[in-house]
Amino acid sequence: AQSVTQLDSHVSVSEGTPVLLRCNYSSSYSPSLFWYVQHPNKGLQLLLKYTSAATLVKGINGFEAEFKKSETSFHLTKPSAHMSDAAEYFCVVSDPRGSGNTGKLIFGQGTTLQVKP
Amino acid sequence: DVKVTQSSRYLVKRTGEKVFLECVQDMDHENMFWYRQDPGLGLRLIYFSYDVKMKEKGDIPEGYSVSREKKERFSLILESASTNQTSMYLCASSVPTGINQPQHFGDGTRLSIL
Repeated sequence: AQSVTQLDSHVSVSEGTPVLLRCNYSSSYSPSLFWYVQHPNKGLQLLLKYTSAATLVKGINGFEAEFKKSETSFHLTKPSAHMSDAAEYFCVVSDPRGSGNTGKLIFGQGTTLQVKP
Repeated sequence: DVKVTQSSRYLVKRTGEKVFLECVQDMDHENMFWYRQDPGLGLRLIYFSYDVKMKEKGDIPEGYSVSREKKERFSLILESASTNQTSMYLCASSVPTGINQPQHFGDGTRLSIL
């Protein structure tokens, strides 16, 4: 069965310092992995996705993530945090089961990123 | 740009009421999904649909039903609302071309059952 674990429920950084949000996954298949961001009272927005083309994936707003199969990790990073990055972040793995090739998603429990001035 | 619209941002209902949550997408997506989001639990799939009139149970379907009469619209129904269904509900849609496709989300409906 597939699963995803976000190792930190809450991360706090100062503006201008690097961001690291950690994610480990478990999959019996070649996974597709995603990071989503959710700002307060908003839906989820796709930051980036890994689909086996390149292990280092660049996303929107300066975020990137590296797929490491040997470590079963897909950590999200950003060199310099901005106040607008404060939000909740979800690591997600795609489940190939289910009818009609729907690509059901399995969500981590989320990491709240706080950015201090 | 894909737009997924949920009819209400905030909704307050009473125990025992029948509640309808509506979701409309404008990108002709075949797949549509309903999730609920609770603190510390992430998102949990309630139901999904991969075609008109087709539906499948997700991980937590109990107490819910769905309706998909038109491709662009996917409704979540709470047959007899209970206080433990107080939550944030998120709708999403996607194309059906495999597991690499992301889902696109609406802004959510925050439902309170009193």
